[in-house]
Order: sequence, then structure tokens, then C-alpha cells
Amino acid sequence: EAGVAQSPRYKIIEKRQSVAFWCNPISGHATLYWYQQILGQGPKLLIQFQNNGVVDDSQLPKDRFSAERLKGVDSTLKIQPAKLEDSAVYLCASSPYRGSANNYEQYFGPGTRLTVT
Amino acid sequence: RKEVEQDPGPFNVPEGATVAFNCTYSNSASQSFFWYRQDCRKEPKLLMSVYSSGNEDGRFTAQLNRASQYISLLIRDSKLSDSATYLCVASNRLAFGKGNQVVVIP
Repeated sequence: EAGVAQSPRYKIIEKRQSVAFWCNPISGHATLYWYQQILGQGPKLLIQFQNNGVVDDSQLPKDRFSAERLKGVDSTLKIQPAKLEDSAVYLCASSPYRGSANNYEQYFGPGTRLTVT
Repeated sequence: RKEVEQDPGPFNVPEGATVAFNCTYSNSASQSFFWYRQDCRKEPKLLMSVYSSGNEDGRFTAQLNRASQYISLLIRDSKLSDSATYLCVASNRLAFGKGNQVVVIP
């Protein structure tokens, strides 16, 4: 079974530029997540989708971050404009929907390492 | 108070020994918990789910203590390959801890 795919793997941009990340979840997984992981910290949830609807985006800095999952499959996360503190690894994860709000076994992609200079 | 707290360590453990560490959570509404393993510069990988009273998988045992609001992970007969950071996550708000770094020493 193919895992979660993400691209690009690495990105270096200057502050105030924009950047986009792409994620393709495991086939059949209804739930998709984007996380930000800063060095030395645990992953921080940015946004959670159930199919193409947003379940939780309370920690997404909406003035500069946006995400979409238009057809309920792959997803993009965009940052515009980027700040130095956005340097982090952006992880995408997916999980199967098992009919219960508490089944959150997640499968992570390899991440995109973003450096903002 | 953070939703999920872990002592980052590192936990230095001799090969073959047992190591255990806890993860405390603040939201009593959380109903399920997970342990993930994260190797350096890699993505987290699911290690164990922790429902109700706990779970065991080979050398790994996870326990849940709802009264004191913590989960624990115990690794028996530690192998060099167990060296990693172990992240716990509470299902409510999907809050991850910082992780417990384990270093198994030959």
C-alpha cells in the first residue's frame, strides 16, 4: 500500500515570498491533517479535513496560511507571505474514518522541510 | 498548562535494560491516546494505540491512568534500534507532546 506522498521535500525561500506544499493521502483515507513541526517540538496541528470539509483549523494562522482539499483527496497548504518563524517541517498525515470521533491513528508523509531566510 | 506534556530527556538506557516514561494530559475529555516513534529527521510512525486500560506489543507496554491523567510507555530489553523520540498524542485536539528522547547505549 502506498504511503502518504508529499512534495517538495525541501524548500528554501526568502521572507515575504509565498510557498505551497502538496499532499496525497493514502487511498481511501477520509481524514487529512497538516502539521507544523519546529525543531525540538512535537507536531502542531494546523488543519484537519474530513473529506473536503474542514473539521478544525483553530491553530491555522489564517492571515498568512491557507489550505484546501477541493475534491476530498489531495490537499495543498500555502503560506503567503512567509516569515522567518515559519521555518519548520510541514507534515501531512491521513487516517481512515472508522465511524468514531476518537479513532485517530495517523499515517504521516515524509514532510516538507521549509527554510525561510 | 500545555495539553500534553512530556519530559524530553534524554533517557539514556543501557542495552538490554528497561526504560519507562510518562506523558501527562490536561483535557479529561480525551478518550484515546497514541504513542508514535520519530527517528531523527524522519516522520512520526505509529507505535501503539492506548485505549481504556492499556496495550502491549512485544517489548512495548502502554498504560493509561485516567485518575492521574497520564499514559506511560515501557520498553523492555532495550535494543540499539529503539533509540528515537517517542511522542504521545491525546485524541482531543490532536495535541502532541514534545517527545521523550531515548538513547540506548551499547
